[in-house]
Amino acid sequence: DTEVTQTPKHLVMGMTNKKSLKCEQHMGHRAMYWYKQKAKKPPELMFVYSYEKLSINESVPSRFSPECPNSSLLNLHLHALQPEDSALYLCASSQSERAVSTGELFFGEGSRLTVL
Amino acid sequence: KQEVTQIPAALSVPEGENLVLNCSFTDSAIYNLQWFRQDPGKGLTSLLLIQSSQREQTSGRLNASLDKSSGRSTLYIAASQPGDSATYLCAVRPRGQNFVFGPGTRLSVLP
Repeated sequence: DTEVTQTPKHLVMGMTNKKSLKCEQHMGHRAMYWYKQKAKKPPELMFVYSYEKLSINESVPSRFSPECPNSSLLNLHLHALQPEDSALYLCASSQSERAVSTGELFFGEGSRLTVL
Repeated sequence: KQEVTQIPAALSVPEGENLVLNCSFTDSAIYNLQWFRQDPGKGLTSLLLIQSSQREQTSGRLNASLDKSSGRSTLYIAASQPGDSATYLCAVRPRGQNFVFGPGTRLSVLP
């Protein structure tokens, strides 16, 4: 099973709402990632969790709050977002953040977020 | 800082053609390079992963090569089909850093 599952697939929220994006993998991977992708652009790294600890935060605004409850789950909590935060949010996983020989990155289908 | 470029930005070919997509990177100190496919509005699907010690990888009609010294990788697609239409992204894993993505090549295969 090389699957990363993301829910919901689509989310529309107002600027005062609080919502969460969820990501799950059962490949035994110990590194999980959140990426943001705007139309016709490559994915931009937001956060990296390694062994359930936040290892990288790419200067993401605090209105995005990641959480890793266990090695299989990754959440992204959203609060007071702006319309420019509308994008495709992608979750990914790899065996280890620093693995040399097994660093293949697997992505989920993404959550399409629209902020009104 | 590692930079990744992809040429061409867009490509349109008739069905059945063999084609080559190019990826260039500025720093040859990489762990590996991965090619992905992305359909509109969807996630990225891993196509091929090439380790830094390898020269090429093959999967079905796809063949990816890696020349670290010149900072180049190519993705060869044989006998292209309309179902191959998508955006193809390459990403390199620099030493001590996370993956750096190229901007992608948008491929259209016309029936």
